[in-house]
Amino acid sequence: QSVLTQPPSASGTPGQRVTISCSGTTSNIGTNTVTWYQQVSTTTPKVLIYTNNKRPSGVPDRFSGSKSGTSASLAVSGLQPEDEAVYYCAAWDDSLHGPVFGGGTKLTVL
Amino acid sequence: QEQLVESGGGVVQPGRSLRLSCVASGITFSAYGMHWVRQAPGKGLEWVAVIWDDGSKKFYADSVKGRFTISRDNSNNTLYLEMNNLRTEDTAVYYCARDKWEYDHALDPWGQGTLVTVSS
Repeated sequence: QSVLTQPPSASGTPGQRVTISCSGTTSNIGTNTVTWYQQVSTTTPKVLIYTNNKRPSGVPDRFSGSKSGTSASLAVSGLQPEDEAVYYCAAWDDSLHGPVFGGGTKLTVL
Repeated sequence: QEQLVESGGGVVQPGRSLRLSCVASGITFSAYGMHWVRQAPGKGLEWVAVIWDDGSKKFYADSVKGRFTISRDNSNNTLYLEMNNLRTEDTAVYYCARDKWEYDHALDPWGQGTLVTVSS
């Protein structure tokens, strides 16, 4: 049972816009910033979004993040086949003194 | 190029111990906190432990508290995870990752992972 709650799956056709939600509590998302990770197949997780809505260099601007209260969301616009991956949200938890993760959302490009 | 390389995984019987290592290169190792995160087969990511940049503070997930110990050697750019009294549910790929304070505690980069299998 993950601390942060994400839908297990999402899907869309190429070119569509898809959003993935992430719900937490006041001790994590409500107080700290959200990071989104992308894990393609069996590769290492990669930072997609940090500080709620910032993109590291090299991440396409098709990816965007937002946060409101104890929830956050990741939006992928102009969906492409290479976006097929598992996406995890994460946030520092003040009670645990460490990050907590969502269970992951598998994004399928139909 | 920033890189983390884990080692030390393998097959171990329940109740036994194992020590994982993570060597950093291309990173000012002593300037960053470091984490261990694990991923059971077919499952999601689970944070395991964190150690402050100077080793002064360490925190653990409840699932490993009292059994696992995180440590570091800043002179050799190496992070460790000592795992004792291993259980079958500890079976996972173990990743080390840097706590990038410039990114508000985002973990970046991650190592390639080392597989720990606990089985009799």
